[in-house]
Amino acid sequence: EAGVTQFPSHSVIEKGQTVTLRCDPISGHDNLYWYRRVMGKEIKFLLHFVKESKQDESGMPNNRFLAERTGGTYSTLKVQPAELEDSGVYFCASSRDRVGGYGYTFGSGTRLTVV
Amino acid sequence: GQNIDQPTEMTATEGAIVQINCTYQTSGFNGLFWYQQHAGEAPTFLSYNVLDGLEEKGRFSSFLSRSKGYSYLLLKELQMKDSASYLCAVRLMIKAAGNKLTFGGGTRVLVKP
Repeated sequence: EAGVTQFPSHSVIEKGQTVTLRCDPISGHDNLYWYRRVMGKEIKFLLHFVKESKQDESGMPNNRFLAERTGGTYSTLKVQPAELEDSGVYFCASSRDRVGGYGYTFGSGTRLTVV
Repeated sequence: GQNIDQPTEMTATEGAIVQINCTYQTSGFNGLFWYQQHAGEAPTFLSYNVLDGLEEKGRFSSFLSRSKGYSYLLLKELQMKDSASYLCAVRLMIKAAGNKLTFGGGTRVLVKP
């Protein structure tokens, strides 16, 4: 099966601009997660979708971040306006099983640089 | 808060064994995962422990002690391709639907010839 696909792989934008990251999960995976790793820190949870519903968005840093998953397929994460501290690698992951299972399948991430 | 600690870096020789320790203090526990991540690539699943004891999978083994809040990943017969970051992550069960992972900072393993 195809893996989790993220686009773009890299993005460099200026402070104050808007960036939209996209994630295509594995087909049939209802659960989709966004994580990010800022420089020198650990990977941190942002939010969790079950189909098109936000199950847990406790990790979203502030209201400049907006995640959507229309139709329960791909998801987008928009940062508007971007700040310098938003730089990092944004990972998407998906899983079929909500509670059990053996981990997620991660995408390769989008490296976001805000200058 | 949630706290997961693992060493920042380890160096080992090709063919040797390396043990990466992970200690955790979390509110809630529903399993511990180990992931491998090569630079610029996706973290890939290595192992999962939810009960105490040792899980063996080829050259990789993972151990869990829930009472001690401790796990380790054992890499045997090291190969050059094992040079990567190894991430320890705890799954918290918050409410029935909670399934998020809390990660440690990762351990960068360098395998030398």
